[in-house]
Amino acid sequence: DVKVTQSSRYLVKRTGEKVFLECVQDMDHENMFWYRQDPGLGLRLIYFSYDVKMKEKGDIPEGYSVSREKKERFSLILESASTNQTSMYLCASRGLGVVTDTQYFGPGTRLTVL
Amino acid sequence: DAKTTQPNSMESNEEEPVHLPCNHSTISGTDYIHWYRQLPSQGPEYVIHGLTSNVNNRMASLAIAEDRKSSTLILHRATLRDAAVYYCILRDVGSNFGNEKLTFGTGTRLTIIP
Repeated sequence: DVKVTQSSRYLVKRTGEKVFLECVQDMDHENMFWYRQDPGLGLRLIYFSYDVKMKEKGDIPEGYSVSREKKERFSLILESASTNQTSMYLCASRGLGVVTDTQYFGPGTRLTVL
Repeated sequence: DAKTTQPNSMESNEEEPVHLPCNHSTISGTDYIHWYRQLPSQGPEYVIHGLTSNVNNRMASLAIAEDRKSSTLILHRATLRDAAVYYCILRDVGSNFGNEKLTFGTGTRLTIIP
C-alpha cells in the first residue's frame, strides 16, 4: 500500500516564525502536492511538483514556498507565518505512466498560527 | 478549467442506497471523472473513476450520463462508515498529462442516519 506521511499531525507556531511542513511518500511517485483545507472552501492547491527540483504554483501560492530535493520528500515552507495561514495542510502523491493513477493523501497537519 | 457542481449536503438512511449527483456541463473530451471521499479527521481517499461507461468497484458504482455533463456516485448499501465528504473531480489527461492538477471543490457532506 502507498504510504504518505506528514511530519506532524498538530503544530502551533507564532506569527513571523518560519515553518516547515514535511511530507514523505514511499512509492517512488513522481508527482507530489500540497493543499490547504478550510471550512467552506474545500481543498485548495498551493504547490505541486512533478519531478525532483521541479515545482509549479497552484491556486494559492502566495506566502508559501516548496522544496523537492529528493523524489520521496516534498516540503512546504511558510517563510513568515501569519494568522491567516492557520489551516489543515494536506500532502498527496501520484505516480505517472498510468492514465487513471490515483492521488494518495497523507493524514494532514493542523497548523495554528498565534 | 472544467468545474463541477455538487449539493452541499445529503442525508441517507443506513443500509439504503445513496445517489450522489455531480454536474460538469463544461467537461471536455479528455476529462476523466474521479470521485474521492474524506472521512472525518483523515485525508481524502480515492473511490472510483470513469470516462464514458458506467463503472463498478468494491466501494461504489459510477453512472455517467450519455452526454457526460453529469454523473452519479452510487453507494449500494450505505453504512455509518460511509459518512464523509464526497468530491467529484475532473482530471484532464490530454496534452498536459502527468503535470495536471486535480481541483477539489467543496464536495457533498453525506450524513448516514442509523
